[in-house]
Amino acid sequence: DQQVKQNSPSLSVQEGRISILNCDYTNSMFDYFLWYKKYPAEGPTFLISISSIKDKNEDGRFTVFLNKSAKHLSLHIVPSQPGDSAVYFCAASPANQFYFGTGTSLTVIP
Amino acid sequence: DAGVIQSPRHEVTEMGQEVTLRCKPISGHDYLFWYRQTMMRGLELLIYFNNNVPIDDSGMPEDRFSAKMPNASFSTLKIQPSEPRDSAVYFCASSPGLAGRYNEQFFGPGTRLTVL
Repeated sequence: DQQVKQNSPSLSVQEGRISILNCDYTNSMFDYFLWYKKYPAEGPTFLISISSIKDKNEDGRFTVFLNKSAKHLSLHIVPSQPGDSAVYFCAASPANQFYFGTGTSLTVIP
Repeated sequence: DAGVIQSPRHEVTEMGQEVTLRCKPISGHDYLFWYRQTMMRGLELLIYFNNNVPIDDSGMPEDRFSAKMPNASFSTLKIQPSEPRDSAVYFCASSPGLAGRYNEQFFGPGTRLTVL
């Protein structure tokens, strides 16, 4: 059973607008969360992370929000750029394990 | 550094054959991970090593799968015998491990395995 779920397989956004990618998890023991970006024919690359002691972490155009009560996190990209078009994976980690979602394919339309 | 190196990049084999995937982690990284990516399940962690020692192999789907890390610069993932349902992209990743699981992982380009 998927412990990390990304329910939107794809998302299209106009260049310059905000992209919001969502992720839900099932286990309240998860205490560290990450987002990875993946281009075709390449491995995933780390984007941003957040610890469960925080509810927000920002890095340039990328912000991750964590809502522990809802077991939900989201990645905001503002402003979106065509180079952001990729598959985004959400990942969660309790002790000694790593769980990834199925990914959301983001297309930023010029 | 060249990053994580995986070989082969593509592998096509017939059901029942043995398949060996290879990985060279980034020099100095203490952790090495093997993942499998499928459309249905996304990225699944199969096994990971710390300082060449397997730490958690609970993600290995069955006894047909085995992984070794004979030294700090090389790891293999073997499937014997292979089955069509093993078709997927297999990624190797490494991390410096200075802060354990809180470090980002650096992924290789993956091996696309097709079992006919």
